[in-house]
Amino acid sequence: TQLLEQSPQFLSIQEGENLTVYCNSSSVFSSLQWYRQEPGEGPVLLVTVVTGGEVKKLKRLTFQFGDARKDSSLHITAAQPGDTGLYLCAGAGTGRRALTFGSGTRLQVQP
Amino acid sequence: DTGVSQDPRHKITKRGQNVTFRCDPISEHNRLYWYRQTLGQGPEFLTYFQNEAQLEKSRLLSDRFSAERPKGSFSTLEIQRTEQGDSAMYLCASSLRGSGLDYGYTFGSGTRLTVV
Repeated sequence: TQLLEQSPQFLSIQEGENLTVYCNSSSVFSSLQWYRQEPGEGPVLLVTVVTGGEVKKLKRLTFQFGDARKDSSLHITAAQPGDTGLYLCAGAGTGRRALTFGSGTRLQVQP
Repeated sequence: DTGVSQDPRHKITKRGQNVTFRCDPISEHNRLYWYRQTLGQGPEFLTYFQNEAQLEKSRLLSDRFSAERPKGSFSTLEIQRTEQGDSAMYLCASSLRGSGLDYGYTFGSGTRLTVV
């Protein structure tokens, strides 16, 4: 069974602060995706990383895939209240066709 | 195309009753997935279709659960003899064949099931 552990589980910060969310596993993933989910809605894809060591930027969000493709991080610069939500990482191992999701990091940005 | 549609959005049922949920994927997507999500947790994989073929089922999917995707279009998920532990959000997602890992999944808004 491939497990993805996310940390922290919950994060409450003030508007303008920076933060980093981590996604770790003992398994190698062929690719890893990050989603954001708002209450009562399905997750929405933010980014896909495929290559070990890859860094992708999406405005104030920076995503990194570990060199060994076992871990990933999401860094948000100058967080805004609109960033509030549940951040989920999801990985696809070799041979599997369905994504395995982490337990999520719930982010709350206070104005 | 307005995305992935799920119906109903909410369902309250008595323990022991059967329930059925429907998912309409994005029309050009031929992969369809069902996940279950409980409060404070990430989605748990249930089952997956490519066209009308059910290719993968989780061990979480007991014999009370059955899913179909007739003609490779919409899908239904049925839960028989519901139990309180079945209370959760049931999410459907679809993706493009051969590129589900590149383009990611498009999720519906889910069906929230409450078993009383």
